[in-house]
Amino acid sequence: DTAVSQTPKYLVTQMGNDKSIKCEQNLGHDTMYWYKQDSKKFLKIMFSYNNKELIINETVPNRFSPKSPDKAHLNLHINSLELGDSAVYFCASSQDASSYNEQFFGPGTRLTVL
Amino acid sequence: AQSVAQPEDQVNVAEGNPLTVKCTYSVSGNPYLFWYVQYPNRGLQFLLKYITGDNLVKGSYGFEAEFNKSQTSFHLKKPSALVSDSALYFCAVRDLGRDSSYKLIFGSGTRLLVRP
Repeated sequence: DTAVSQTPKYLVTQMGNDKSIKCEQNLGHDTMYWYKQDSKKFLKIMFSYNNKELIINETVPNRFSPKSPDKAHLNLHINSLELGDSAVYFCASSQDASSYNEQFFGPGTRLTVL
Repeated sequence: AQSVAQPEDQVNVAEGNPLTVKCTYSVSGNPYLFWYVQYPNRGLQFLLKYITGDNLVKGSYGFEAEFNKSQTSFHLKKPSALVSDSALYFCAVRDLGRDSSYKLIFGSGTRLLVRP
């Protein structure tokens, strides 16, 4: 069983569209994250939820809206997509929000905005 | 803010030779340091971490890392490289975000290429 899964794996869309990426973890973890990896492989955290509560909200355009329906799921909705949103988006989870627990990453969603 | 630096974009090593992937850190307080590996078209996988205790940390796939406080370094090492070790390696450090929650700050990554 995949520990952290994301759908879709690939997403190609036009500028201005709205799209969602879904993430699920079956590890029983309390904390989930969204990261963005750009074309130069830089990896930066966007959001984190702990037990469905938003605990990290980095400087991200408000076109990006995370939603956690339960602690096993963290979805990312993006409005009015722009060219610069093209990247690989990774979901991750950890046992809790403490600073010493390792994070488990999903396989990524490659978003291409045309 | 905490940060890590990976000074090498790429490291090339022959199979069977020892490998080192460098990481230096800048923190206030005690550092919590991590290494992750990313294989092509995959998510990151945790390798090892230093929180406290022994300066030599052993991790997955035969990797280890040495925490050196005086040199503010946390270099990743392996005694004998395998072709299958070829991947992108990230060093990371714990940071306290503006929301007062902990987050990981990743280095720029080092591509390891092990040639047969």
